[in-house]
Amino acid sequence: NAGVTQTPKFQVLKTGQSMTLQCAQDMNHNSMYWYRQDPGMGLRLIYYSASEGTTDKGEVPNGYNVSRLNKREFSLRLESAAPSQTSVYFCASSDRQNYGYTFGSGTRLTVV
Amino acid sequence: QKEVEQDPGPLSVPEGAIVSLNCTYSNSAFQYFMWYRQYSRKGPELLMYTYSSGNKEDGRFTAQVDKSSKYISLFIRDSQPSDSATYLCAMSAEGQNFVFGPGTRLSVLP
Repeated sequence: NAGVTQTPKFQVLKTGQSMTLQCAQDMNHNSMYWYRQDPGMGLRLIYYSASEGTTDKGEVPNGYNVSRLNKREFSLRLESAAPSQTSVYFCASSDRQNYGYTFGSGTRLTVV
Repeated sequence: QKEVEQDPGPLSVPEGAIVSLNCTYSNSAFQYFMWYRQYSRKGPELLMYTYSSGNKEDGRFTAQVDKSSKYISLFIRDSQPSDSATYLCAMSAEGQNFVFGPGTRLSVLP
């Protein structure tokens, strides 16, 4: 029972490089989310997908793009990484908005 | 004023103590409330989910919501060293995404 799987677990990027964070869930959830977690600031929503085929901006979308590839998968792309994007990134899913979220184990990203 | 406020701690208690963790919020439209536990370098895991006001109990954990005071609490009875973690509160209005507090770091000392 995998739940929410995120890859990679760790990544170091140079400023200006691009990368895609992958997320997949096996719970048949409708909604998926990308958060970043920084010390003292808690979890901040980057983008979300309320249902397959839809995506919307969250609180801190600048510098990111997302793709809801299918019901299971929701990827986050950094087109030109900046040191301010150094963070821990979490993907989450829920059956629908207002329902409890299941989180992945996170991706630790460092941009140098 | 932040939408959700939570004392960051750290909070240190002896094993067996009753722990009280709290969050305050400003948005009176919030109706859905969650508590998460996050171990170091792990993802958050859902502990308690409540709707509207009242209490909910699950084993050693009790979640309490006081909408009139815009205040929620998580009580942990007979705390164990394995309860040492960061506890996040989260809340949302109908049809809206959850807003998370910054978390309270708890340390239960053997």
